[in-house]
Amino acid sequence: GAGVSQSPSNKVTEKGKDVELRCDPISGHTALYWYRQRLGQGLEFLIYFQGNSAPDKSGLPSDRFSAERTGGSVSTLTIQRTQQEDSAVYLCASSLMAGRSYNEQFFGPGTRLTVL
Amino acid sequence: QKEVEQNSGPLSVPEGAIASLNCTYSDRGSQSFFWYRQYSGKSPELIMSIYSNGDKEDGRFTAQLNKASQYVSLLIRDSQPSDSATYLCAVSGNTGKLIFGQGTTLQVKP
Repeated sequence: GAGVSQSPSNKVTEKGKDVELRCDPISGHTALYWYRQRLGQGLEFLIYFQGNSAPDKSGLPSDRFSAERTGGSVSTLTIQRTQQEDSAVYLCASSLMAGRSYNEQFFGPGTRLTVL
Repeated sequence: QKEVEQNSGPLSVPEGAIASLNCTYSDRGSQSFFWYRQYSGKSPELIMSIYSNGDKEDGRFTAQLNKASQYVSLLIRDSQPSDSATYLCAVSGNTGKLIFGQGTTLQVKP
């Protein structure tokens, strides 16, 4: 079946502009996660959604970052007033549900964001 | 102290050898453990998950978990040049988020 999809694959923007990144999870997966990977670094958790529960926003680095998930499916990560340090690959993952035994997360191809 | 630690490498092994990748974690409440493979410029690909102490085998891959020592390892038997990649260890507890190590770069030389 179809995997996690993300768009755009690449985004170049100017400092101070807002950007929106989109994620479409695997059909039937109730949990959706956003991570960030800076060049040469490991993955950094940003936010996750589980069904209709309140999202875990504990990884968002600043109030310039926000995310929403509509209808329990597609998610949008928004970065306002982008800064050069926001340049990274933004990865989305989904899993059947959050929790001990079903938390195998499958990643999309990512969106490479470059802030000039 | 980092929450999940891996030797960054590179770890270089000859083709056909066993590659051994190691990971330690700090949170004793961790419940789920994963190994991802990431090729340069690509996103992480899940290759193994393990939840209880002991070994779990899948083809050429064996994951080993020792919760008392807070240690997870991945063995790759009969290593192939196509196994050359960065291997990421990831750990989660009761919440959904994964905490990743920095990854170990594996080079398999023909």
